[in-house]
Amino acid sequence: DAEITQSPRHKITETGRQVTLACHQTWNHNNMFWYRQDLGHGLRLIHYSYGVQDTNKGEVSDGYSVSRSNTEDLPLTLESAASSQTSVYFCASRDSPNTGELFFGEGSRLTVL
Amino acid sequence: GQNIDQPTEMTATEGAIVQINCTYQTSGFNGLFWYQQHAGEAPTFLSYNVLDGLEEKGRFSSFLSRSKGYSYLLLKELQMKDSASYLCAVSPPGGSYIPTFGRGTSLIVHP
Repeated sequence: DAEITQSPRHKITETGRQVTLACHQTWNHNNMFWYRQDLGHGLRLIHYSYGVQDTNKGEVSDGYSVSRSNTEDLPLTLESAASSQTSVYFCASRDSPNTGELFFGEGSRLTVL
Repeated sequence: GQNIDQPTEMTATEGAIVQINCTYQTSGFNGLFWYQQHAGEAPTFLSYNVLDGLEEKGRFSSFLSRSKGYSYLLLKELQMKDSASYLCAVSPPGGSYIPTFGRGTSLIVHP
């Protein structure tokens, strides 16, 4: 069955370290997204991509970067992790804009000490 | 811009009916989503309303009034497994169709 997977599911790191969260989908979806979820804020968009070599900033992109070298993967990189980036990160994908429905991965819980 | 408002928490009894409201303020609108999210899990899609009116899917129904900037999710015959967060999300005008999420409503169903 097609799916979307994230790794690692849990990670603890130190302030200043570089961290990469992986997202891989097997639906061949063009659109992929990264959200973070924090208490009191709901899901907030970090970055998104409409296809290979396309990346765009979302609402809370500072301190994060993404790359899209193929259809299946959209890794999220924290160049220098900060305690404010402690959160649960969700990757999502969808087939086309008009259908709208996002399919979410299981989430990656990141703790920055 | 978009300002999505929904209650933080609701409680209800097993077997009852509960209505979760969502209001939004937007300069344009392309549709409204409802997602369900159990604790520690990924959000899963429930419904997508583009036109005014009520759409029913089994025990769950979603209503939209575009003129009032208002939607609700209606859950009937509540079961314990319906205890979850319910996320309202608005698809903005223009071509992106990227949903903006509200803070979610935590529903607790008790026996």
